[in-house]
Amino acid sequence: AQSVTQPDIHITVSEGASLELRCNYSYGATPYLFWYVQSPGQGLQLLLKYFSGDTLVQGIKGFEAEFKRSQSSFNLRKPSVHWSDAAEYFCAVAGAGSYQLTFGKGTKLSVIP
Amino acid sequence: NAGVTQTPKFQVLKTGQSMTLQCAQDMNHNSMYWYRQDPGMGLRLIYYSASEGTTDKGEVPNGYNVSRLNKREFSLRLESAAPSQTSVYFCASGTVGEQYFGPGTRLTVT
Repeated sequence: AQSVTQPDIHITVSEGASLELRCNYSYGATPYLFWYVQSPGQGLQLLLKYFSGDTLVQGIKGFEAEFKRSQSSFNLRKPSVHWSDAAEYFCAVAGAGSYQLTFGKGTKLSVIP
Repeated sequence: NAGVTQTPKFQVLKTGQSMTLQCAQDMNHNSMYWYRQDPGMGLRLIYYSASEGTTDKGEVPNGYNVSRLNKREFSLRLESAAPSQTSVYFCASGTVGEQYFGPGTRLTVT
């Protein structure tokens, strides 16, 4: 069965600092990997996704993520965090041809002005 | 375009009552999904509909039923609500590669 682990429940960074949110997955074959963001009281929005090819993927809002097969990881990064990035971030995995996304438990990001 | 809409936004039920959560999308997507979100648990798939006329169980289907009324609408029914079903419910549509989420329904069962 596929699974996703987000080791950090809550991270606090200062505005302008760099950010890395960790995600580890478990899946037997090559996974499809995603990062979603949820602002307070809102639904989820897709930030970026990896299916195949270049292991460094760019997303919206200046985010990027790197797929590392050897480490079963798909960490999310941003070089300079803005106060508006405060939200909860979810990593997710799916298999090719599957309709089922499996989400991690989320990492809440707080940004200090 | 409204995207994915859900009604109601909030609901309080007593144990044993029934209700239906409504979801509609205007993006002409074939597939639609129902998730529940609980604190510290992330989102878990309840049911999905790959296309009009089909529905399948997800990770946590017990206590729920769904209906894919037409291509636009996908409803979730709680026949006899239990306190364990207190949660925030999200509907989504799209492919597994990109899902669009509604704003959610916050349900409390007392």
